[in-house]
Amino acid sequence: IAGITQAPTSQILAAGRRMTLRCTQDMRHNAMYWYRQDLGLGLRLIHYSNTAGTTGKGEVPDGYSVSRANTDDFPLTLASAVPSQTSVYFCASSDSAETDTQYFGPGTRLTVL
Amino acid sequence: GQNIDQPTEMTATEGAIVQINCTYQTSGFNGLFWYQQHAGEAPTFLSYNVLDGLEEKGRFSSFLSRSKGYSYLLLKELQMKDSASYLCAARDSNYQLIWGAGTKLIIKP
Repeated sequence: IAGITQAPTSQILAAGRRMTLRCTQDMRHNAMYWYRQDLGLGLRLIHYSNTAGTTGKGEVPDGYSVSRANTDDFPLTLASAVPSQTSVYFCASSDSAETDTQYFGPGTRLTVL
Repeated sequence: GQNIDQPTEMTATEGAIVQINCTYQTSGFNGLFWYQQHAGEAPTFLSYNVLDGLEEKGRFSSFLSRSKGYSYLLLKELQMKDSASYLCAARDSNYQLIWGAGTKLIIKP
């Protein structure tokens, strides 16, 4: 059982380019989340999805978009990357947004130059 | 605003006990989580408290006081592999997790 996988592991991207970070879980969890983690700051929620077909904005959604076409996949797209989006991105999932623990993928380290 | 406070860094000795404190202010409260994160890795779940009191799980225990907006993580019989960052997170009224910046724990032999 893989749990949550993320791709790519790391990426260097030129500013202005479009980039999609992939996240797939095989636990049949209903809820999925995207966070960014920056040095000295706590994890910050970008977007979330409580169930397939629905998405919501977190604390720092600007410049990012998500979709949840099915239970397993939750891609995060940067339409036009900027250097301030340089960060480590973690995808997480939980069976229920209200009551359950979140489990994290291995992360994607993104550098925007 | 919503806020989680925890110390930036702590140092302890192998075999000893260390307590990592966390205070929180959130709009509503639906539980307090502790995660461990080794450098370059993903956070992994350690403990969850929603009622006041102590939850014990092997060498790790977590305490919650809702009236004080306070939690601590207690690590006993410290091992070198416990060197990591420990993240405190509170679930708010919207069921979203609000995260502290993490406490980096350095274990010395």
